[in-house]
Amino acid sequence: EDQVTQSPEALRLQEGESSSLNCSYTVSGLRGLFWYRQDPGKGPEFLFTLYSAGEEKEKERLKATLTKKESFLHITAPKPEDSATYLCAVQALNKGAQKLVFGQGTRLTINP
Amino acid sequence: DGGITQSPKYLFRKEGQNVTLSCEQNLNHDAMYWYRQDPGQGLRLIYYSQIVNDFQKGDIAEGYSVSREKKESFPLTVTSAQKNPTAFYLCASSSQKQETQYFGPGTRLLVL
Repeated sequence: EDQVTQSPEALRLQEGESSSLNCSYTVSGLRGLFWYRQDPGKGPEFLFTLYSAGEEKEKERLKATLTKKESFLHITAPKPEDSATYLCAVQALNKGAQKLVFGQGTRLTINP
Repeated sequence: DGGITQSPKYLFRKEGQNVTLSCEQNLNHDAMYWYRQDPGQGLRLIYYSQIVNDFQKGDIAEGYSVSREKKESFPLTVTSAQKNPTAFYLCASSSQKQETQYFGPGTRLLVL
């Protein structure tokens, strides 16, 4: 069974304090790994897609990396507006219709 | 302005009542999805549709029904058989060529 586990569940940082969020996954064959940002009471906002081990993608203060067993979302010098829940999801090669399996999310709070 | 709209933002259901959540997209996407989000849990797939007039059950379809009569629309009905309907419901869509799913703003369903 495909599974995604995110850690930590919650993380509090001071503004400017860099850190990383973890997404561990087990899947029969990875088609893609997705990162989303979700603000309270809103729908998830797409951030990145990663397809193969060693791939990296960046957007402003965020950088996502991928290995064969996990992905990291690195946040460099975060600002209060980076506070949100970050969701990780995987799509397996053998599953049709682009089905995604989601982790439970990491709730990130950046204090000014 | 392309995107996904969901209505209403909040919905109240009485005991024994069926309610319908609306999802419309103008992205010309072929595939559409319904997810349920509960506190502390990852998004779980209810139903999905790859083309008009065709849809499949996801992981938690019991107590729900859908239709796909138009490419732009994928309404979800929460029936009286769903005993624990209180949740945040999210609609998503994707194109056949790209795996990324884009989400709407969500509908919060509450039971009176």
